[in-house]
Amino acid sequence: QSVLTQPPSASGTPGQRVTISCSGSSSNVGSNYVYWYQQVPGTAPKLLIYRNNERPSGVPDRFSGSKSGTSASLAISGLRSEDEADYYCATWDDSLSGPVFGGGTKLTVL
Amino acid sequence: EVQLVESGGGLVKPGGSLRLSCAASGFTFSSYSMNWVRQAPGKGLEWVSSFSSSSSYIYYEDSVKGRFTTSRDNAKNSLYLQMNSLRVEDTAVYYCVRDWDYWGQGTLVTVSS
Repeated sequence: QSVLTQPPSASGTPGQRVTISCSGSSSNVGSNYVYWYQQVPGTAPKLLIYRNNERPSGVPDRFSGSKSGTSASLAISGLRSEDEADYYCATWDDSLSGPVFGGGTKLTVL
Repeated sequence: EVQLVESGGGLVKPGGSLRLSCAASGFTFSSYSMNWVRQAPGKGLEWVSSFSSSSSYIYYEDSVKGRFTTSRDNAKNSLYLQMNSLRVEDTAVYYCVRDWDYWGQGTLVTVSS
């Protein structure tokens, strides 16, 4: 049982916009920055979004992050086949004094 | 180019020990906090340990406290994870992570009799 709650799966067709949610509490999402990672099966996770909505250089602007209260979201617009991967949210938890991850969302591009 | 290369994984019996290493290059290692994150086969990501750049704090996930020890050698640009009293449930790919941006390719630890 992960501290952060993500839907186990999401899907969309090429060109569509998809959002993935990440629900937490006041001790984690509500009071700390949220990070998002993309993991293609068999490879290491890659940072997509940091500090709630910042994109590292090289990450397409099709990816965007947002946060409101104790929930965060990752939006992917103009969906492409190469976006098929697992997506994880992460943040610091003040109560646990450590980082926590969501359970991951498997994105399928139909 | 930032590079993190883990090594030291392998097959070990329950109760055994293993030492993982992470060789860093392409950045000023001493200026960054470093982390270990693991991923059990077919499962999600799980934080294991964090080591601050100033060595002023080291954090461990509850299930590894007292069994795992993280250390770093800034002169060698290396991070280490000493794992003792290994359990079957410690089986995972272990990733070395710089701050929370760059990840190594991971090293597989399998604990099995």
